[in-house]
Amino acid sequence: DQQVKQNSPSLSVQEGRISILNCDYTNSMFDYFLWYKKYPAEGPTFLISISSIKDKNEDGRFTVFLNKSAKHLSLHIVPSQPGDSAVYFCAASAAGGTSYGKLTFGQGTILTVHP
Amino acid sequence: DSGVTQTPKHLITATGQRVTLRCSPRSGDLSVYWYQQSLDQGLQFLIQYYNGEERAKGNILERFSAQQFPDLHSELNLSSLELGDSALYFCASSATSGLGSRELFFGEGSRLTVL
Repeated sequence: DQQVKQNSPSLSVQEGRISILNCDYTNSMFDYFLWYKKYPAEGPTFLISISSIKDKNEDGRFTVFLNKSAKHLSLHIVPSQPGDSAVYFCAASAAGGTSYGKLTFGQGTILTVHP
Repeated sequence: DSGVTQTPKHLITATGQRVTLRCSPRSGDLSVYWYQQSLDQGLQFLIQYYNGEERAKGNILERFSAQQFPDLHSELNLSSLELGDSALYFCASSATSGLGSRELFFGEGSRLTVL
C-alpha cells in the first residue's frame, strides 16, 4: 500500500521555466510534508516543508502548495536552473505515535533542466 | 555536508554473510533513523533510536538489528544476507523525536551489494 505517490517518474523542463512536481497521499493522519532533493552518490537533502495548517510555503525559488481536500501537494521551482537537475522525493509524517521522524517517501521524480 | 557520517560507503559481500553499517549523527542530535532504498524504490523506514533507546520500527526484517551507543553513534547489523538485501542504506538524524523538527538530515548512504 503506497501511501505517498509521485506518479511522474521524470520531468524535463527548459532553464528559466517553471518546474512543477506533484505528489499525492492517502493517509489522513499525515500532517507534515517535506520535499527532499537527491543528487547521485549523495544522501537526500531537505528542501522545503509544509504543515497541514497551511496551504502554501515559499522559500526563494521553491514553493510548496498543499491541497488537503484533494490530498495533493506540489513543488514549484521558478525559475528552474540546470543545477536543479536531481531526484525529488516527497515525504510525509503523521501526527501522534512515537516517531515524527518516521517519514513515508514517494518513489521520486527525476527532474532534468535543460540549458 | 549534512553532518551525518556513514561508513562504509560501499560494501560487497556474499549471501549468508553478516555486515555492520555505522552512522555518526550530527553533533547534538539524539535521534538516529535508518532507511533502505532498493533499486527503483523510494526510501523505506527501518528503525529509529532516540538517545540509546528504540523509538519506532518500520518494516525491518528479523535478520536486521540496530543499536545506538552512549556516544549516540548507531550501527545497523544485517545478517544471513540475501541477494534482495542489496540496497542503499541511509542513516539520518534529527534534533528531537517529539514535537520538534521532523526535518531529517541524511548521510551519504552505504551501498551494499550481495553477490
